[in-house]
Amino acid sequence: SQELEQSPQSLIVQEGKNLTINCTSSKTLYGLYWYKQKYGEGLIFLMMLQKGGEEKSHEKITAKLDEKKQQSSLHITASQPSHAGIYLCGAVLYNFNKFYFGSGTKLNVKP
Amino acid sequence: ETGVTQTPRHLVMGMTNKKSLKCEQHLGHNAMYWYKQSAKKPLELMFVYSLEERVENNSVPSRFSPECPNSSHLFLHLHTLQPEDSALYLCASSFRRSTDTQYFGPGTRLTVL
Repeated sequence: SQELEQSPQSLIVQEGKNLTINCTSSKTLYGLYWYKQKYGEGLIFLMMLQKGGEEKSHEKITAKLDEKKQQSSLHITASQPSHAGIYLCGAVLYNFNKFYFGSGTKLNVKP
Repeated sequence: ETGVTQTPRHLVMGMTNKKSLKCEQHLGHNAMYWYKQSAKKPLELMFVYSLEERVENNSVPSRFSPECPNSSHLFLHLHTLQPEDSALYLCASSFRRSTDTQYFGPGTRLTVL
């Protein structure tokens, strides 16, 4: 079973459209990390959320962690082809000294 | 620039070969990780080293042998691999194990013939 569930698994959007990717856990998260990966390359760290209700933004990407610290969303505003790639969430669960990754969301942005 | 480098970037090897993957981090971190990423599978954690001591080994076959001679370098020694071992192998490092942000290298694309 997956400790972190990501949805959707893949997404195709028209350039300029907004989109949201979700990451859900059945357990409380100690910290939630978002990464982006271009095909065949390493993961690029985007941002980390730790407090319930926390929200962070970087350029046109905004990530939120819910109050219960069991779900996070990544929102991209006015998507561009440069946003294309695989987005992965990662997290440490409370009482688990181990890091988990979600299965990833593959994003394509059509010009 | 991630501060974590991996060599080689691409590797093709036969099942009887012995090869090694190298990872180096320039971030002053104390923990280093090996991950395997196969097509259609989530990222799989293979090994974790903290202060040069192996602290996690996730049921990885013995044909994969890690080595961490110091906190800046991590190796993955490969021998008698199988075609199903073909994957992208990613190295990462963090200041402390598990709870700190992990920074990844660009990966080594391994093909086993």
